[in-house]
Amino acid sequence: SAVISQKPSRDICQRGTSLTIQCQVDSQVTMMFWYRQQPGQSLTLIATANQGSEATYESGFVIDKFPISRPNLTFSTLTVSNMSPEDSSIYLCSVGALDYLDEQFFGPGTRLTVL
Amino acid sequence: SQQGEEDPQALSIQEGENATMNCSYKTSINNLQWYRQNSGRGLVHLILIRSNEREKHSGRLRVTLDTSKKSSSLLITASRAADTASYFCAPSSGNTPLVFGKGTRLSVIA
Repeated sequence: SAVISQKPSRDICQRGTSLTIQCQVDSQVTMMFWYRQQPGQSLTLIATANQGSEATYESGFVIDKFPISRPNLTFSTLTVSNMSPEDSSIYLCSVGALDYLDEQFFGPGTRLTVL
Repeated sequence: SQQGEEDPQALSIQEGENATMNCSYKTSINNLQWYRQNSGRGLVHLILIRSNEREKHSGRLRVTLDTSKKSSSLLITASRAADTASYFCAPSSGNTPLVFGKGTRLSVIA
């Protein structure tokens, strides 16, 4: 199974600022995803991070608010821009196989609190 | 994408008892995965069961899949306090990222 690390593990930020979350995988993976889990809620897919091209965003999420980079097959970043208290969530990086037929693994998450 | 629906939403049992959680889904799948999430942490992958499999075991975990009923179950035997967590199922048709339901919140009381 893939070993995924995220930085930071948690942060407390002021509204109006931005935070970049890093996701590092110990092996090359085809598919990388970013999810959000708001307090008391289930996970919601933000976007698929595509290597070498723009991320594919789900309905309700836009690039200006959540810019994503994926410079290679082991690393991705998610930025939460111009934060508000509603952005307080756990943000999770996830990796999977190209055909979606094998396991999808998750990182430990980044707990973000916006004041 | 399709989302699994876990049942019950919450389950409370005594340590040593077995815990059973169910998952239903709507359309045909290639596989179904179960995850555990301890409070405020990431998701831990428990088991993947493929559509041509009916049962799978991993330690104290037993997962069944009934594709005719579009349902799966997760059985945790001889539960421990450390099993206290939320459990999610994620059915996959093999062409989109996983989508998650509300999960089952399991409390194991010592």
